[in-house]
Amino acid sequence: DVKVTQSSRYLVKRTGEKVFLECVQDMDHENMFWYRQDPGLGLRLIYFSYDVKMKEKGDIPEGYSVSREKKERFSLILESASTNQTSMYLCASSLGSGHTNTEAFFGQGTRLTVV
Amino acid sequence: QQQVKQSPQSLIVQKGGISIINCAYENTAFDYFPWYQQFPGKGPALLIAIRPDVSEKKEGRFTISFNKSAKQFSLHIMDSQPGDSATYFCAASNEGGSEKLVFGKGTKLTVNP
Repeated sequence: DVKVTQSSRYLVKRTGEKVFLECVQDMDHENMFWYRQDPGLGLRLIYFSYDVKMKEKGDIPEGYSVSREKKERFSLILESASTNQTSMYLCASSLGSGHTNTEAFFGQGTRLTVV
Repeated sequence: QQQVKQSPQSLIVQKGGISIINCAYENTAFDYFPWYQQFPGKGPALLIAIRPDVSEKKEGRFTISFNKSAKQFSLHIMDSQPGDSATYFCAASNEGGSEKLVFGKGTKLTVNP
């Protein structure tokens, strides 16, 4: 079974703090993604990585950065947390280019509250 | 720019009824159309997916209908059950390109017993 594990289910942080959200996958997937989920807005892509140290901006990258130093780990960084970043954050992974199965597997999500 | 439009936002169906959720896309380069199911407190999970070389795909009570010329696809849930109550997301991607999934805004389905 593919497993995508997010380090925290719930986080409460203060405005201005630097926040790290960690995600680990155990299936040697090339692609990893960070999405943000808000009611009525669906899932919006923040950043995408298709290889170690490679990253690509998604639709809403402002205020976020990412790090992928190892294939299995993809970190989302909020440089200076703001209240409008209060949301559910979802990490996902998929096999990558050259594979016919491009199913994305999601973690359980991290509900971040910025106060 | 919303590339995948999903409707309705919410849907209430009686047990045994048919649930229908619709999606429309704009980018003709999309060639992979999955549906994800999400229960409260869980991440989305792949339910069923289709590629544009077929017009319909069925897995148990779940069917995707695909209309390439209209750039629309829909999910039909036959004999809906209370356990089907969840949020459903349609998505699309270009497997020959970046493989990033673009999601619709979701449909909250409630199946009443």
